[in-house]
Amino acid sequence: NAGVMQNPRHLVRRRGQEARLRCSPMKGHSHVYWYRQLPEEGLKFMVYLQKENIIDESGMPKERFSAEFPKEGPSILRIQQVVRGDSAAYFCASSPLMSQRDTEAFFGQGTRLTVV
Amino acid sequence: AQKITQTQPGMFVQEKEAVTLDCTYDTSDQSYGLFWYKQPSSGEMIFLIYQGSYDEQNATEGRYSLNFQKARKSANLVISASQLGDSAMYFCAMRERGAGGTSYGKLTFGQGTILTVHP
Repeated sequence: NAGVMQNPRHLVRRRGQEARLRCSPMKGHSHVYWYRQLPEEGLKFMVYLQKENIIDESGMPKERFSAEFPKEGPSILRIQQVVRGDSAAYFCASSPLMSQRDTEAFFGQGTRLTVV
Repeated sequence: AQKITQTQPGMFVQEKEAVTLDCTYDTSDQSYGLFWYKQPSSGEMIFLIYQGSYDEQNATEGRYSLNFQKARKSANLVISASQLGDSAMYFCAMRERGAGGTSYGKLTFGQGTILTVHP
């Protein structure tokens, strides 16, 4: 059973370009969460999606950032017109429908975005 | 106010000794979950241990145990018999009930503690 797959692992973009980060959840998981980790900091929640729905985007910057989780295919985190401050590690986690007893969300290995 | 506080930016421990990494949390929910993750230099997030707020016993997973003191809102990680491979960043995280009282997997993380194990 493959884990959460993120690609690319490393991404370099010039200022003003677009970055597209992909996340394929674990088999059978229909919930995806994106987190951002700035250098020397903990992970910060960005967005929670179920198939074709954004459930909670309270951590998403208001501009340039968007996320989707289509019926078919991976979840995509898109950053338009990247700036140097977007340089960070972006992690995706997936879970099945959560109950209070569920004990973990499964993380991908992250995408390290560098804006030059 | 910080929801998850890890007051130790860095900790050092001698190989084979035990070490405690501190974590305090703040929530008004009665039902919540506490997690510890390990992040080695390679960058991935490795789940270590989970404690539910209604669990009566402290969680244990191999060399990892969680010292859960609900009244003090602390959830310290204890690593016994430290190994060189334990050197990493360690994050404490909390899951609370989401909108409408439905729990889902959104986690709030602390700032992390860098653990260095000396031979």
